[in-house]
Formats: sequence, structure tokens, C-alpha cells
Amino acid sequence: AQSVAQPEDQVNVAEGNPLTVKCTYSVSGNPYLFWYVQYPNRGLQFLLKYITGDNLVKGSYGFEAEFNKSQTSFHLKKPSALVSDSALYFCAVSPSGTYKYIFGTGTRLKVLA
Amino acid sequence: NAGVTQTPKFQVLKTGQSMTLQCAQDMNHNSMYWYRQDPGMGLRLIYYSASEGTTDKGEVPNGYNVSRLNKREFSLRLESAAPSQTSVYFCASTRQDTNQPQHFGDGTRLSIL
Repeated sequence: AQSVAQPEDQVNVAEGNPLTVKCTYSVSGNPYLFWYVQYPNRGLQFLLKYITGDNLVKGSYGFEAEFNKSQTSFHLKKPSALVSDSALYFCAVSPSGTYKYIFGTGTRLKVLA
Repeated sequence: NAGVTQTPKFQVLKTGQSMTLQCAQDMNHNSMYWYRQDPGMGLRLIYYSASEGTTDKGEVPNGYNVSRLNKREFSLRLESAAPSQTSVYFCASTRQDTNQPQHFGDGTRLSIL
């Protein structure tokens, strides 16, 4: 079965420190990969995507993600965390040739001042 | 720039009542989706419409029906609400190419007593 795993329910990081939110996937072929952020009482907002090409993808608000095909991972990173980055983050995968998106269970990021 | 608009934002129903959740997008997107979000379970696809005139079941379609009224509008109906359908429901849309990110509404918070 195709799936997306976000192994950490919550990640805590001090403001100014680098952050990583992990995502691995199990999907056949060459899927499209996405990260979204969700603030309280809001819908998901797109951060960045990987389609093909460079393994390091840059997105909104200083976030970037590293694609690793051999490890089937797509980890979200930011060099210096802000308190305002505190939110719920979702990784999603779209298998090529389908109209579906498969979401992970989400990781709550808490940036401490 | 409304994007994806969902109505209502909140609703409380009694078990057995019926209700239709409305969704409209103004981005001329072909594909539209309904998800439910439950704690610890991420987003689960209920139904989707790859293009106007087509609808397909997702991961958790039981107890729901959908109508793609036109290109803009995609509604979700609960014919006989059950407490297990208490959730936050999100509508999303995208261009037909799934290498594009989805755009989400801000959700409908539904409680069934």
C-alpha cells in the first residue's frame, strides 16, 4: 500500500536553531512531493514541492526540503527557526499518473523563545 | 482573491440528521477534493472529482455522497449523520496536473451529537 510517514508527532526546537521535520514515503514510480503548513483554525498552505531536478528545494518563509531517492525521504529544513514557525506541518505525495494526494499524519513544530 | 470558500464554518447536528457542506473555488481549477482531518490521522480523502462531470471514491467514502455541480462547486452530503463523522472537513482544488499543489479552504468544523 502507498503511504507517507511522519515519524515524529512533535518537534521542539529553540528559536534561532536549525530545524528538521522528517518525512518518508512508500510509493511506486517517481512521485511528486509536497510540504504544507497549517495554522490553528486554517486550511493547509503550500510551502514547497519536488517534481524533478535538484534534490534541494527552496520554498516559502525560508524553508527548504531535501529529497533523497535512495532513502525515499523528503525532510523539511530551516536554518534558523522562528517562534512564528510554530504550526502543524504535513508531508504529501502524489503518485505520478493519479489525481490523488496521500498525506502524512502531521508533525507539530514548537519553536521555543 | 477568495481561493477556496467553504460554508458553513461550524455546524452541530444530531445523529440521523442530514447536511450538505458547500465548497466553491474561483481559480478555474479542474480537480476538487474533500478530506476529513482527525487528530493523529492526518488528512483522509473522502471523495474527489478529477474534472467536471466525474467523481470517485477516496479512502473513507462510506456515509458520504458528493456532487460536482459545475466547474466551481463541489458539495459533500451526509445523508444520516453519525457521531463518527464528527471531524473537520476540508475542500481543496488543483489544476488537473498533480505536480501542482492543492489549494485548501479553511474547513468546516462539524460536531454530531
